[in-house]
Amino acid sequence: GEDVEQSLFLSVREGDSSVINCTYTDSSSTYLYWYKQEPGAGLQLLTYIFSNMDMKQDQRLTVLLNKKDKHLSLRIADTQTGDSAIYFCAGGYGGATNKLIFGTGTLLAVQP
Amino acid sequence: KAGVTQTPRYLIKTRGQQVTLSCSPISGHRSVSWYQQTPGQGLQFLFEYFSETQRNKGNFPGRFSGRQFSNSRSEMNVSTLELGDSALYLCASSLEEGANYGYTFGSGTRLTVV
Repeated sequence: GEDVEQSLFLSVREGDSSVINCTYTDSSSTYLYWYKQEPGAGLQLLTYIFSNMDMKQDQRLTVLLNKKDKHLSLRIADTQTGDSAIYFCAGGYGGATNKLIFGTGTLLAVQP
Repeated sequence: KAGVTQTPRYLIKTRGQQVTLSCSPISGHRSVSWYQQTPGQGLQFLFEYFSETQRNKGNFPGRFSGRQFSNSRSEMNVSTLELGDSALYLCASSLEEGANYGYTFGSGTRLTVV
């Protein structure tokens, strides 16, 4: 079955780059997503990557996909205190199973 | 344009009661999905609706049900509430059915069962 894993916690200093990692077991996902959740809020879609891409850059965000190792990462350049939140990766499984499978979430703490 | 609207934001219910949560998708979006978020289990898929039909269902007991109306608004119902149903319930809408189109989430309804 599908399983998505993330490290639980990451602490960085303001201005540094953050790299949040995600591994997944089922390679049939068509899209892979990164969502951000701030305290008391819902999920905010940050970016996504199509499964036949290796990399996608979107302003301060860079997504890398290694299909062979089933590894996805999100790099945030010039991390700010406002980036402190929980980050979830998710695999999108279309077709007969229209749903998102979420990772466990990574709490990013940005120290000023 | 307005985002996904979920009502109410907070709810406290007693064990054994039932509850109905509401979700209004982004205008023009026809697919609505529901997720449950708990500290122990994380984010889990409940069900997806498209054109008033349930397209897919997660691994939840029959106490959890939902429906979608002709204007794409959706409701989910939980009957005979248990303490373990306490969670943040998130609704997400998408232009069409299928995860490929990306989902926009609402702020959620925080349900507490006492």
